Amino acid sequence: AQSVTQLDSQVPVFEEAPVELRCNYSSSVSVYLFWYVQYPNQGLQLLLKYLSGSTLVKGINGFEAEFNKSQTSFHLRKPSVHISDTAEYFCAVMRGSQGNLIFGKGTKLSVKP
Amino acid sequence: NAGVMQNPRHLVRRRGQEARLRCSPMKGHSHVYWYRQLPEEGLKFMVYLQKENIIDESGMPKERFSAEFPKEGPSILRIQQVVRGDSAAYFCASSPDGTNYGYTFGSGTRLTVV
Repeated sequence: AQSVTQLDSQVPVFEEAPVELRCNYSSSVSVYLFWYVQYPNQGLQLLLKYLSGSTLVKGINGFEAEFNKSQTSFHLRKPSVHISDTAEYFCAVMRGSQGNLIFGKGTKLSVKP
Repeated sequence: NAGVMQNPRHLVRRRGQEARLRCSPMKGHSHVYWYRQLPEEGLKFMVYLQKENIIDESGMPKERFSAEFPKEGPSILRIQQVVRGDSAAYFCASSPDGTNYGYTFGSGTRLTVV
């Protein structure tokens, strides 16, 4: 069975500092990987996704993630965060090109001035 | 081009009542997915539907929960005889063809059972 582990439930960081949100997955088959962001009382917005090709994926709002097959990881990074990045971030996997997403429990990013 | 529309945004029900949650997919999307988000948890898959068909309901509780996506109109998630444990945010997503390319989420319905 597939699972997604987000190692940090909360990450506090100061404005303009770099941040990395960690995500590990388990799967015996090829997967597609996603990061979503959820602002308070809103739905999920896709930040970026890895389907194939280059292992470094660039997304919206200056975020990027690197797919590491040997470590089964898909960590999200941003070199300099803003107050407006304060939100909850979810890592998700999908097996194959169709079907449902399996989500991690989320990481709450809190950016302080 | 409106996104995925869910209504109501907030729904309060007393224990034992029925809750009906609606989801109108994006224009041109014929695949709908429902997810539930419990407090301090990630989203959990519930059901995947195409027009008039349930494709995968492996995440649906066995009792009290049902879903439909009729030929005309929105997809409906129905919860009968609600209990406090049903309190959660319910999200709908739609896709034009069931692949991972065009998966779009709605803003959710927050159900509170009192």
